[in-house]
Amino acid sequence: DAKTTQPNSMESNEEEPVHLPCNHSTISGTDYIHWYRQLPSQGPEYVIHGLTSNVNNRMASLAIAEDRKSSTLILHRATLRDAAVYYCILRANNDMRFGAGTRLTVKP
Amino acid sequence: GAVVSQHPSRVICKSGTSVKIECRSLDFQATTMFWYRQFPKQSLMLMATSNEGSKATYEQGVEKDKFLINHASLTLSTLTVTSAHPEDSSFYICSALGQGRGYTFGSGTRLTVV
Repeated sequence: DAKTTQPNSMESNEEEPVHLPCNHSTISGTDYIHWYRQLPSQGPEYVIHGLTSNVNNRMASLAIAEDRKSSTLILHRATLRDAAVYYCILRANNDMRFGAGTRLTVKP
Repeated sequence: GAVVSQHPSRVICKSGTSVKIECRSLDFQATTMFWYRQFPKQSLMLMATSNEGSKATYEQGVEKDKFLINHASLTLSTLTVTSAHPEDSSFYICSALGQGRGYTFGSGTRLTVV
């Protein structure tokens, strides 16, 4: 399985942008890059996904490197409710496996 | 949006008893459902994958006789933890995959075995 590498933790100040990196050097051509986040004692929540092009939605933006070996989840203005564990996952076929994720702390 | 309901959200049971957890896709048909286990401060660990009407596929190291999975319909999958022991205490999460949809996760079930 293609694996992802993320920093264990990151801190951000409220209302500032946050860039969460993810390395996936063994990504294959058919792997989609998915981001989910998990708030305490809840199931994961979909954030965004992409294949090759950068993607934007209401929650976040996803910047994908040209060689697809890394990607960055961008929260444009962090709020206290964005404090969560963020998981970067490569999905091929019907398989969704989680790495360790990045624990994001947002300081007021 | 797609909604997956997981029930119960919390359960406490005595050692040696069995517990059933339900996972329902409320507004779509789930061709495949997944069960995960998560210990404190750790990531989600895939336990098994189930397709409607067929036997579940278990991950290596997961006892199929202990964790019984039934996926009898396109909207319901159940996980039964049989003869539960304290080490089975964990956060169990289901996920459903529907045609043309991504993965939708349930809100999780916190199982405590005393």
